[in-house]
This record gives sequence, C-alpha cells and structure tokens, in this order.
Amino acid sequence: DQQVKQNSPSLSVQEGRISILNCDYTNSMFDYFLWYKKYPAEGPTFLISISSIKDKNEDGRFTVFLNKSAKHLSLHIVPSQPGDSAVYFCAASDAGNQFYFGTGTSLTVIP
Amino acid sequence: EPEVTQTPSHQVTQMGQEVILRCVPISNHLYFYWYRQILGQKVEFLVSFYNNEISEKSEIFDDQFSVERPDGSNFTLKIRSTKLEDSAMYFCASSAGQGIYGYTFGSGTRLTVV
Repeated sequence: DQQVKQNSPSLSVQEGRISILNCDYTNSMFDYFLWYKKYPAEGPTFLISISSIKDKNEDGRFTVFLNKSAKHLSLHIVPSQPGDSAVYFCAASDAGNQFYFGTGTSLTVIP
Repeated sequence: EPEVTQTPSHQVTQMGQEVILRCVPISNHLYFYWYRQILGQKVEFLVSFYNNEISEKSEIFDDQFSVERPDGSNFTLKIRSTKLEDSAMYFCASSAGQGIYGYTFGSGTRLTVV
C-alpha cells in the first residue's frame, strides 16, 4: 500500500535550469511533508518541509509547493547545480511519529 | 554539525543468527527511529522510541525485532534470528520533536544475511 508516490524514478536537468520533482499522496490525513536528499552510501538528509496550513515554503534555491486538493507536492530547485545530483525522497506524516516515504527520484544535473 | 552515528557500516551475518545494529543519536534529541530500505525499494518505517519506550511500530517490526536504549547515548536495534529478507540498509534517525523538526538520519548499516 503505497501512500506516497514518486512516479518519476529519474530526472535529468541542465545546470542552471529548474528541477521539478513531484510527489503524490493518497491519505488526506497527512498534514506534514518533508523532502530528503540522499547521496550514495549516506543516510537521507533533511532538505525542506511544509505543513498542510501552507501551500508554499521556500529556503534558498529550494521551494516546496503543496496542492492539498490534488494531494500533490513538488520540489523546485532553481538554479540546479551539479552538486544537487542525488536521490530525492518525499515523505508524509499525519502528525504521528511515522513518516511514509516515496520511492525516490534520482536527479542528475548535467554540467 | 551534530550527526547521528551508526556502527557497523556493513554487517554480514548467517541466517538464524542474532544481530545488533548500533546508533548514537544526537545528544539533545528525544525521539529515535529505525527505518530500513531494501535494495531498490522505498524507505520503510520500523519503529519509533520516546521516553524509553516504543511509541509506534510498523507491521515489519515483529517479535524478531527489539530496540533498546541501554545507556544515555546508544540506541540499538536487535534482530533475534535473521532471515534472508532482513538484508537491507538500516537507518537510525533522531529528532528534537515530532513532525516539524524533521529527522537527522545516520549513514546507515548495510545488513547482509547469507
């Protein structure tokens, strides 16, 4: 039962352009969402979060958008840099302890 | 920057053997978690731990699994009798609070059951 879905397993973007990573969820009780970045052989690193009372949260080059009616969130990276190449996971929670993770999207930023 | 430390980085064990995965969470964090990722699959929640007891656990976390905080700094995951399907990356995480704080993950222990 996959409550959080990332339908694009991979994405390639030119350096300097925008990267858009998408995530869909099925549980309308989810009210907190996070994005993590993961490099090979490392644990996931927290990037940015958003709660359901907001529809946008920005932190430097990273912006997360939440569309509650569509049960969809996206992560925008502008401008994309080669160091952003990693696997990106979205995760969602219904304010409990447990986060549900998507399967990840592997981003490659081409210099 | 504070980090979550996991040891060992790679553990190979015989099927049926007990294994203990160790984690040192960030010192002022109160919530502790274990997640795992089977190769090619999603990151899955195992268990959360707060105030010296399990606060939530998933269906994966059956009687073969246990967690312990034996002292003020370590947080361990024990698998009593390992199965081949327990082979995965196991991530420990800690957080200062629930929800809005996000987690800090360790770099993981790769468990290989042969």
